[in-house]
Amino acid sequence: RKEVEQDPGPFNVPEGATVAFNCTYSNSASQSFFWYRQDCRKEPKLLMSVYSSGNEDGRFTAQLNRASQYISLLIRDSKLSDSATYLCVVNKGGNAGKSTFGDGTTLTVKP
Amino acid sequence: GAGVSQSPSNKVTEKGKDVELRCDPISGHTALYWYRQSLGQGLEFLIYFQGNSAPDKSGLPSDRFSAERTGGSVSTLTIQRTQQEDSAVYLCASRASGPYNEQFFGPGTRLTVL
Repeated sequence: RKEVEQDPGPFNVPEGATVAFNCTYSNSASQSFFWYRQDCRKEPKLLMSVYSSGNEDGRFTAQLNRASQYISLLIRDSKLSDSATYLCVVNKGGNAGKSTFGDGTTLTVKP
Repeated sequence: GAGVSQSPSNKVTEKGKDVELRCDPISGHTALYWYRQSLGQGLEFLIYFQGNSAPDKSGLPSDRFSAERTGGSVSTLTIQRTQQEDSAVYLCASRASGPYNEQFFGPGTRLTVL
């Protein structure tokens, strides 16, 4: 079993739709969590950190469920520009611990 | 400020040759990571440097791969006797101290082994 697992998709949704991605992790000692976005042939870039209490940034909402060891990303009112691969990242903690990336979930938003 | 830079951006080499890939992290970042990404695949962890600690080399796929980080800053990933399956994008990332800080990625080096 992989340390971090994501549904690879692809998710194909119309503009304006709401879409949610889940990511599960196996190490209960994991300390911090992130969602990254990767466009085709580009490097990953931070989308948002995931806080224990959940957090929102515009149309994006991230949630953490430590008991069930999963994090989620909700995108409301999808835009064409949201089309990308979304990577879940889990850090083991420590001063600057090793990060584990999920394989990503591909989203395509269509007109 | 300046982000993570990598050079070269593209490298084409012949099978059996050695290559060196360079990463300049963000100044002051204590952690540095190397990943490999094949077309359409996820990130494959290769190696991780944290300050003066011994690097975590657990992701290096074979002894043809090695990396060093000089003076806690610039890092070089070396691939000896390259094989066609080494063709991929090699990504470097750096991160500031602290468990809640994110990684910042460089643009990557696209390696093609003919």
